[in-house]
Amino acid sequence: DTAVSQTPKYLVTQMGNDKSIKCEQNLGHDTMYWYKQDSKKFLKIMFSYNNKELIINETVPNRFSPKSPDKAHLNLHINSLELGDSAVYFCASSQDHMRGAEAFFGQGTRLTVV
Amino acid sequence: DQQVKQNSPSLSVQEGRISILNCDYTNSMFDYFLWYKKYPAEGPTFLISISSIKDKNEDGRFTVFLNKSAKHLSLHIVPSQPGDSAVYFCAAVPDSSYKLIFGSGTRLLVRP
Repeated sequence: DTAVSQTPKYLVTQMGNDKSIKCEQNLGHDTMYWYKQDSKKFLKIMFSYNNKELIINETVPNRFSPKSPDKAHLNLHINSLELGDSAVYFCASSQDHMRGAEAFFGQGTRLTVV
Repeated sequence: DQQVKQNSPSLSVQEGRISILNCDYTNSMFDYFLWYKKYPAEGPTFLISISSIKDKNEDGRFTVFLNKSAKHLSLHIVPSQPGDSAVYFCAAVPDSSYKLIFGSGTRLLVRP
């Protein structure tokens, strides 16, 4: 019974396309996140939502738009995909947004833009 | 601008011995630190954490040490087991912030 699940696990697409990655958590957590793991293996936060409200928006191109229909879901939509968007994207959740709350991560979505 | 650094990309240890993974940070505003473990094709999983008001936290075979003056923390695993083979990420949380800032990870291999 997966706590944080992302779909799809792998995504290969052409430059210029628009794609979405879905994330769902069944832990009853209030806060959800999107992280990007780049080619140098650094995990960097992109967005955070607390109770469907955006609380962190790092310096991310506005081609990336998170959408949280309810507090159990945080989807990531990417417009006009570029080669540099190729990375592994991790969704995560934590009980609340208080600093230090340990996050539970999904298994990641490997996005390859060709 | 890497605020959290793991300078050893890999570490190999014999089963039963101690594994020591190191992490350095630059931002003195960090006040909470965590270690995550990651297996291939899986997301990171929380392992252990430490608040900046402490210098040691222990949980079974895992102990995290924090040296604030040196801006250094380490994770000790003893005894190491083959199942510990994974990538270990150090992460820090800035004061009054919600986000985790990760290092680049250290791949640990525990040889049987």
